Order: sequence, then structure tokens, then C-alpha cells
Amino acid sequence: AQKITQTQPGMFVQEKEAVTLDCTYDTSDQSYGLFWYKQPSSGEMIFLIYQGSYDEQNATEGRYSLNFQKARKSANLVISASQLGDSAMYFCAMREVSNYQLIWGAGTKLIIKP
Amino acid sequence: DTAVSQTPKYLVTQMGNDKSIKCEQNLGHDTMYWYKQDSKKFLKIMFSYNNKELIINETVPNRFSPKSPDKAHLNLHINSLELGDSAVYFCASSQERTSRPTNEKLFFGSGTQLSVL
Repeated sequence: AQKITQTQPGMFVQEKEAVTLDCTYDTSDQSYGLFWYKQPSSGEMIFLIYQGSYDEQNATEGRYSLNFQKARKSANLVISASQLGDSAMYFCAMREVSNYQLIWGAGTKLIIKP
Repeated sequence: DTAVSQTPKYLVTQMGNDKSIKCEQNLGHDTMYWYKQDSKKFLKIMFSYNNKELIINETVPNRFSPKSPDKAHLNLHINSLELGDSAVYFCASSQERTSRPTNEKLFFGSGTQLSVL
């Protein structure tokens, strides 16, 4: 079974609109962490945001926020006021305290239209 | 000042050749990784070293051999290159403490695009 599922292989969004990238996960651990990384066309992997399973507040980093719904096991990335530079692949990943390796989703390709 | 640096950025070579990719991190991290990203962008872990010791060795052909001379370096040597080895290879590092906090993020190098002709 997939531990991290990103159901949107690709998305087109108009510039300045908000974007939600979906991520659902599967774990039986109580303690785990969820990460989002961005990979622009230049290829580097850029850390965006982290959410811990015990964090009561949704994580936010500038225009990025994480919509964490623990009961539904979802950790969607929300980008507010999208910009052309947000066009990239976005990866969701999870670290369980039991396994400890980072487990990656297949990624979502986001294209922002002018 | 680059935290995780890998060289070369591009590597074009013929089938059957042997090649190496070098990786160095100056973050003082204990753990380093090699990942392979295929043409569909899927990231697959290949190896992980902690303090020069191999701790993860996924199902990877034994033509791939990682070498960690010290905890700041993890090189990847590939023998007898095949067409299917064409991919982007990423080096990464993290500080994986014994308390195993879940918020340890990976720091990535910029990737090496390997093309086998």
C-alpha cells in the first residue's frame, strides 16, 4: 500500500489564485512528521514546510500553509496568491518515528498560467 | 558556502563505462544519502550512510557502490553503465540524532543528470 499518495499528477492554476496540492498518508505511528518540498525546473529540491503529528496548529511559512487533518490523514499544501515562480514539482514526504526513513509521494506538477 | 555540493552536474557517457559522482556536505550532518530520480520524477532512495557506516541499502544493482571516506563525503561509483541508469542522482544529508525527532529535514545537492548513450 502507498504510504504517501499525491492524487494530482498535474495542475494548472491561474496566477494570483490560491492552490491546494493534495497529500494523504498512511501510518500507524502516533509520532510522525510531514514535509513538502519544491523542485523547480532547475532541478534542486527545496524544503518548504514541516508539520509534526502532535502540532496543534497548522504550519505556515510565508505564502505556504499546511492544511493538516489528522483524522483524515491528509496534509495538503496551500499556496496563497500563486506566482509564476511557483511552477514546479511538489513532493509530499513523511517521516515515521518507527521507520525513520523519509517516504516520498510521486509528486504533483504545478503550472501557473499568466 | 553550498551546504551539499555534488559534482558533476551533468554526466554524459557511453554504455559500459564506469563513472563516479562526488558529494560533500559542510553542515556537520551525520547521515548522507543517495537518491535516484527517474524520468517520471519519482524519488527512490538508494543508500544511506550514518557516520561512514552503511545503514540503508535498497534493492540496487551491485554495479552501484557508495563510498564514504568520512562523514562529510559520500561518493557514488557506478560500474558498467547501462541505458536504464540514465536519471538524476541526488545526494542529501540530514542530522539524524539518536532521539530520532521526526522534524529532521533533508538538505539536497543540486543533482547530477546522468545520460547513458
